[in-house]
Order: sequence, then C-alpha cells, then structure tokens
Amino acid sequence: SYELTQPPSVSVSPGQTASITCSGDRLGERYACWYQQKPGQSPVLVIYQDSKRPSGIPERFSGSNSGNTAILTISGTQAMDEADYYCQAWDSSHVVFGGGTKLTVL
Amino acid sequence: EVQLVESGGGLVQPGRSLRLSCAASGFTFDDYAMHWVRQAPGKGLEWVSGINWNSGSIGYADSVKGRFTISRDNAKNSLYLQMNSLRAEDTALYFCAKGYSGSYTHLLDYWGQGTLVTVSS
Repeated sequence: SYELTQPPSVSVSPGQTASITCSGDRLGERYACWYQQKPGQSPVLVIYQDSKRPSGIPERFSGSNSGNTAILTISGTQAMDEADYYCQAWDSSHVVFGGGTKLTVL
Repeated sequence: EVQLVESGGGLVQPGRSLRLSCAASGFTFDDYAMHWVRQAPGKGLEWVSGINWNSGSIGYADSVKGRFTISRDNAKNSLYLQMNSLRAEDTALYFCAKGYSGSYTHLLDYWGQGTLVTVSS
C-alpha cells in the first residue's frame, strides 16, 4: 500500500522558517494535506490540496507538492507552532498518514 | 459549528468486542464521508476505516480488515465502529473525523476529541 515518510523531528528558532517534508512515490501527482496536533488535542487541518489554507489558519503556513515530495513551510515560526505535524494523502481505497514530525521551536 | 462526539470506549479483554459511536452535528451528515482514525499512546495517526456518504464504498486498514466493521445511520447522524477480536495493539485513542467530500478517499477536515480503547487482561 502507499506510504508517506516524514522526518521524526525538526527544530527551528523563533521567527525563522521551518520546513517539514513528506515523501511518497510520485506524491506530486496526488493532493497532499497537513494536520497540526498539539499535546492533548485533536488534529487540525492546516493545509489542503497541497497549498490551500482553511479559514482561520495563519498566512505563515504554506505548502507545496511536486515530484515525490510535499513540503509544509511555516514562515516566522512562533512558539505556538510547536506541535506534531502529519501529512496525508490517499489512493483508490486507502487514506494514508505520514509518521509525523515533531516541530520544536527553540 | 461542526461537532463530532465519540463514545463507547473503555477497558476490554483481548478477544472481546466493543462498539464505538460518533454523534455528528453542525453539517449535513449524509453529504459527507466519515472516518475512524486511531492514535496509540505516544504514537502517530493511523487511519482505521472510512465510509462514503451512502455506505456504498468502504475501506479498511490492513491491520483491522476482517475484524472491524464501519457503518453509519444517516437518519441518526451517527457513525459506528464495531471492533471484534480485539488485540493489545488495538489500544489507542479513536477519533471520528468528517470527510471533505462524499468519498472517503479524500482528506479529513474536522475531528472529534476521541474515545480511549484499552485492550488488556
């Protein structure tokens, strides 16, 4: 079945740009989306259809998807952005999540 | 406002069964696919099962296929997950999630708070 691979952890300094990757075979030919999950909370959709932001998601969140890699970019990262991030895609019969990336803002 | 409220979790012995429910409100339930996603303690998200708007198309993760059954009652705005032959590795927080479209092969745009299932003797 289809698989998505994310780095386990990414660190960024406050105010800097964080990039989280998600790799899968020809992922750029599918739509990818991203969820943010803070400790003790449910996941929240932050990017859908590769690069669109749901209502209420700050403009500092952006996304791209090409080739085998989707990227979630957080510009001007804030302490409140520290969380786990999951990419997600789907094939003809399954929904697939990446393993998740813990973003640390330090 | 979309609301998804899960119930039915608890402590169950290995090999036994449990039925989870999800009560939905704030949207036209029978227009959208629905999903169950689980998260084992300290682990990542794992998609469990999805069902399209009219129950005509259903999918399962390989890890639960043949043991779990998803269903929905559009008249009651409710989603269910019947879990049989439970194993220790099924221990997790189970989330109900709304699909973005009528097909379950898509993204999930709203999530409930989850119900905890613990499988242990």
